[in-house]
Amino acid sequence: DAGVIQSPRHEVTEMGQEVTLRCKPISGHNSLFWYRQTMMRGLELLIYFNNNVPIDDSGMPEDRFSAKMPNASFSTLKIQPSEPRDSAVYFCASSQGLSSGNTIYFGEGSWLTVV
Amino acid sequence: RKEVEQDPGPFNVPEGATVAFNCTYSNSASQSFFWYRQDCRKEPKLLMSVYSSGNEDGRFTAQLNRASQYISLLIRDSKLSDSATYLCVVNRGGSQGNLIFGKGTKLSVKP
Repeated sequence: DAGVIQSPRHEVTEMGQEVTLRCKPISGHNSLFWYRQTMMRGLELLIYFNNNVPIDDSGMPEDRFSAKMPNASFSTLKIQPSEPRDSAVYFCASSQGLSSGNTIYFGEGSWLTVV
Repeated sequence: RKEVEQDPGPFNVPEGATVAFNCTYSNSASQSFFWYRQDCRKEPKLLMSVYSSGNEDGRFTAQLNRASQYISLLIRDSKLSDSATYLCVVNRGGSQGNLIFGKGTKLSVKP
């Protein structure tokens, strides 16, 4: 079975440019999560959706970050304009639902470097 | 105080050794607990859930002490393939949107 698919896997961009990260959750999973991981802060939840609806975006660091889930099989995380401090690994994850009994499965991550 | 705290390590152990990791959490209302494993430059993957009665999966044993707000992971007979970072994860509410990840403990198993 295909896991969570993310693209691009690696991106290097210049400060001020727009960055769009993409995610395809596991088929049949109703919940989708965007995380960011850095050495300093570890793994942090940015936003999550349930049935394509954003439930909690309190982890989004600032207005430069936005996320959408137009349908059950696709989500984007956009940073505009990007800054060097946005450099991190961005993970998308999905689960069958929000119940704590459901396992969260992570994609391989998008490694972002902003120079 | 951080919500989930772990010793970052690294723990350098020889093959065959027994190694234990600890984790403390600050929110006494936390409801469920997990250990995730993350290989270098890879995504986190669920290793095991942690139950109040303690649970074992092969060479891995997880324990929870709610009174002390403390979680542990014991690995017996360490293998080279156990080398990874182990993340302690706490769910402070009933939803998977409430998972809090520790920054991880790095384990390196040497031949």
